[in-house]
Amino acid sequence: AQRVTQPEKLLSVFKGAPVELKCNYSYSGSPELFWYVQYSRQRLQLLLRHISRESIKGFTADLNKGETSFHLKKPFAQEEDSAMYYCALRAPGSSGSARQLTFGSGTQLTVLP
Amino acid sequence: GAGVSQTPSNKVTEKGKYVELRCDPISGHTALYWYRQSLGQGPEFLIYFQGTGAADDSGLPNDRFFAVRPEGSVSTLKIQRTERGDSAVYLCASSLTSVTQGKTQYFGPGTRLLVL
Repeated sequence: AQRVTQPEKLLSVFKGAPVELKCNYSYSGSPELFWYVQYSRQRLQLLLRHISRESIKGFTADLNKGETSFHLKKPFAQEEDSAMYYCALRAPGSSGSARQLTFGSGTQLTVLP
Repeated sequence: GAGVSQTPSNKVTEKGKYVELRCDPISGHTALYWYRQSLGQGPEFLIYFQGTGAADDSGLPNDRFFAVRPEGSVSTLKIQRTERGDSAVYLCASSLTSVTQGKTQYFGPGTRLLVL
């Protein structure tokens, strides 16, 4: 069974400080990993995915298969980064199989002025 | 164009009643997903449609839950004999296809269901 763990429910940092949101997963194969973000009173939206190896809004995340982790990092946090962040996993599937996401329980990030 | 829409945004019902939740996916999206999000938790998968058919309903908690997508577009999640434990935010997501890696799921705003 696949599982995503986000050990921190709440995380507070000061503006300009580095931030790291932790995500660990359990899956026996090679999954796809994602970070979704939900800003206050907005819908859940994709922030980034590991296969794209991109930086979005200054955030990056590296898939570490040895540690089964996909931590989200930003070197200098901004107040507008305050939001709920969810790590999610999708198992690779054959054609026609379901491609649902398995989410962690989320981390509420607050960036203080 | 418009994103995924869900109606109603809020629904309050009494224990034992029947409810229907509606999802309008992004036009042209063939894959549609329902998730349920309880307080303090991440979304949990309920059911997935590819076109008109339910390709995977393994996440439905019991036979009180049922979903349809008769024309391959709008979907309705139906809950019979509601229980207080059904109270949650029900999220709908759609994507262009489920079989291609990297296809983003776009989420709706959710329906907040409260069973009294």
